[in-house]
Amino acid sequence: EAGVVQSPRYKIIEKKQPVAFWCNPISGHNTLYWYRQNLGQGPELLIRYENEEAVDDSQLPKDRFSAERLKGVDSTLKIQPAELGDSAVYLCASSLAQGAWGTDTQYFGPGTRLTVL
Amino acid sequence: ILNVEQSPQSLHVQEGDSTNFTCSFPSSNFYALHWYRWETAKSPEALFVMTLNGDEKKKGRISATLNTKEGYSYLYIKGSQPEDSATYLCAPSGGGGNKLTFGTGTQLKVEL
Repeated sequence: EAGVVQSPRYKIIEKKQPVAFWCNPISGHNTLYWYRQNLGQGPELLIRYENEEAVDDSQLPKDRFSAERLKGVDSTLKIQPAELGDSAVYLCASSLAQGAWGTDTQYFGPGTRLTVL
Repeated sequence: ILNVEQSPQSLHVQEGDSTNFTCSFPSSNFYALHWYRWETAKSPEALFVMTLNGDEKKKGRISATLNTKEGYSYLYIKGSQPEDSATYLCAPSGGGGNKLTFGTGTQLKVEL
């Protein structure tokens, strides 16, 4: 079974430029998550989708970040314009969301390492 | 926002050594505790999901225990091997929606 696929793996851009990350979750997984991991920190949730609905985007900086999950499968996370502080690893994860509350294993992709110069 | 602490921050051991790490989290509003292993340039890999106080899980040479009353979990690695070198992350879920709050991780380096 294929895992969570993310692209690109690495991205270097200049500040004020736009950037987009793509995620393809595990087939059949209804729930999709985007996390950001800053250097020396643990991953932090940016947004969670149940099918195509964003059910938790409280940590998403909405002035410059946007996300979509077309048809409840693939998802795209966009930053426009990027700032120096956006340099981080952006992780996508998916889960079946069929287990008891809080026990669903989240399966992660390899992440996109973004460097903003 | 949950306050999740992991210690030590980093650890260097020799091949064959046994080691353990600690994850501390608020005991209130607890649902489950997740452990992940994250090797450089790879995807974070799920190790365990633990829910019950006193729970013990084992996967090969790696095991974990859980104390929900006092809010901590231990991860043990017996006979460390170089391939165990990775960052080990814990994440309690709480507050609904399978939301994980990750600690900063313990970075393990196993040397020959």
